[in-house]
Amino acid sequence: EAGVAQSPRYKIIEKRQSVAFWCNPISGHATLYWYQQILGQGPKLLIQFQNNGVVDDSQLPKDRFSAERLKGVDSTLKIQPAKLEDSAVYLCASSLAGTANTEAFFGQGTRLTVV
Amino acid sequence: AQSVTQLDSQVPVFEEAPVELRCNYSSSVSVYLFWYVQYPNQGLQLLLKYLSGSTLVKGINGFEAEFNKSQTSFHLRKPSVHISDTAEYFCAVRGYNAGNMLTFGGGTRLMVKP
Repeated sequence: EAGVAQSPRYKIIEKRQSVAFWCNPISGHATLYWYQQILGQGPKLLIQFQNNGVVDDSQLPKDRFSAERLKGVDSTLKIQPAKLEDSAVYLCASSLAGTANTEAFFGQGTRLTVV
Repeated sequence: AQSVTQLDSQVPVFEEAPVELRCNYSSSVSVYLFWYVQYPNQGLQLLLKYLSGSTLVKGINGFEAEFNKSQTSFHLRKPSVHISDTAEYFCAVRGYNAGNMLTFGGGTRLMVKP
């Protein structure tokens, strides 16, 4: 079974530039999550989708971050414009259903460095 | 809302020694509990989870954890560690009715020395 795919693996941009990350969840997984993991910290949920609808985006900085999952499968996360404090690993995860006892499977992440 | 505290940011241990990684949580509702492991430049992999039933749960790679409701703890243990266990370990909780949001602790770096 293929895992959660993310690209790119690494990205370096200058502050005020824009960047986009892509995630392809495990086939059949209805729920998709984006997490931000700052160096030395645990992952923090940015946004959660159930199919193509947003379930929770309370911790997404909406003035600069946006995410979409138009067809209920792949998802993109965009930052525009980027700030130095956005340097982090962005993890995508997916699970079969949006219930609390369902395991979430994680991709390898995209490491963003803003200079 | 839930919060998770991992009391040790780093735990150095010699190979073949036992180890315990501590996790305490706070929640106003009942929760499910998870331990994830993250190897360098990798995503998170589920080690084990507590959903219900026996408070002692066994996971992959010889790890186990015990849920203690009165102390709101979910400590991870392994009786004999290997060099390959060197990684970052994250404790996480999810409330039964929390909209499926998984809240992570800050992580504990386990460093196994030969």
